[in-house]
Amino acid sequence: AQKVTQAQTEISVVEKEDVTLDCVYETRDTTYYLFWYKQPPSGELVFLIRRNSFDEQNEISGRYSWNFQKSTSSFNFTITASQVVDSAVYFCALSEGGNQFYFGTGTSLTVIP
Amino acid sequence: DGGITQSPKYLFRKEGQNVTLSCEQNLNHDAMYWYRQDPGQGLRLIYYSQIVNDFQKGDIAEGYSVSREKKESFPLTVTSAQKNPTAFYLCASSMYRTANEKLFFGSGTQLSVL
Repeated sequence: AQKVTQAQTEISVVEKEDVTLDCVYETRDTTYYLFWYKQPPSGELVFLIRRNSFDEQNEISGRYSWNFQKSTSSFNFTITASQVVDSAVYFCALSEGGNQFYFGTGTSLTVIP
Repeated sequence: DGGITQSPKYLFRKEGQNVTLSCEQNLNHDAMYWYRQDPGQGLRLIYYSQIVNDFQKGDIAEGYSVSREKKESFPLTVTSAQKNPTAFYLCASSMYRTANEKLFFGSGTQLSVL
């Protein structure tokens, strides 16, 4: 079974639209960490955010925000007023006590000018 | 600038040939990883190393080999036993191998079979 599910394979939005990328995870551990990474066309993944299982506070960083809900095992990522530079593949990842990272299959976001 | 350098960016392999992908980091990180990325799939762990001269198999280690003779270097060899090697290979590192450590990635190597 998938530990991390990103059901949206591809999303296209017009510039300045808001877009939410979904991430659903599965774990039995009480202590775990969730991550989002961005993979631009250059190929390297870039770290965006880390959240531990005891901190359900939502976070906002500029145009980016993250909604962590343990009740639904979700860690969704919203980009407000999207820009062309946001076009990339976004990966959600889970890390448990066993120190294994589980990556979702990624969501490819295209922002159309 | 600190970071991870992977080379080459593109690599072609002939039948029966072993090829080696290079990964160097100057971040002074203890842990290093190799991931394989196929279209439409997430990243799958091939090998990881927590310390010099020690490494562990990941989920898809068959047909691959690694070495960790220096802290900065973690080369990956794709052997002829790997029957489907065409993929994008990513090297990563973290300060330590603990659950909360973020990963730093290189820019990847695209391996194709001739």
